[in-house]
Amino acid sequence: GIQVEQSPPDLILQEGANSTLRCNFSDSVNNLQWFHQNPWGQLINLFYIPSGTKQNGRLSATTVATERYSLLYISSSQTTDSGVYFCAPRAGSGYALNFGKGTSLLVTP
Amino acid sequence: GAGVSQSPSNKVTEKGKDVELRCDPISGHTALYWYRQSLGQGLEFLIYFQGNSAPDKSGLPSDRFSAERTGGSVSTLTIQRTQQEDSAVYLCASSGTSGSGELFFGEGSRLTVL
Repeated sequence: GIQVEQSPPDLILQEGANSTLRCNFSDSVNNLQWFHQNPWGQLINLFYIPSGTKQNGRLSATTVATERYSLLYISSSQTTDSGVYFCAPRAGSGYALNFGKGTSLLVTP
Repeated sequence: GAGVSQSPSNKVTEKGKDVELRCDPISGHTALYWYRQSLGQGLEFLIYFQGNSAPDKSGLPSDRFSAERTGGSVSTLTIQRTQQEDSAVYLCASSGTSGSGELFFGEGSRLTVL
């Protein structure tokens, strides 16, 4: 199946800093989603982005499907951004989203 | 309902007992997925339903695990003769289409096997 690698695995930021999270995948995709798992375990949809660029407030994402990577940008980070960020692409031949191991983000005051 | 609903939210059981976990997808969503998340890990795919049929059940870890969906809506994941390694959060997701549609997750059922 499709392989998903996320980097960095862990990240500590001071409030107000910017960051870029990366997701590499091994196959062509027809879907890619970014999720934020908050400290209570809830998975929150951030972006549905199989290709192109989208922005939502302080967050934006870019997927370059031809080069098999996606980036999540977090600007002016806040403590509430803490949690684990998952990238989950779906291979063109598959049914399910395939999750990476995530990036664990801690934003300190 | 407004979102994906799962029950129970927490379940503690003894090794060897059977458990049933329920998922009620977003109204009108035809695709339904079960995933499992062990402590500190990513999500592991278990099974996919389109309507009442399961075209992909490749992620079910053993024959102790089974799932069904009735009426194109509610799904039940059953684990027979539970083992300690079955302890995890079981997450359900639904999507409006079978292809590339966006998935929405429930809050999960936390299973602890003593």
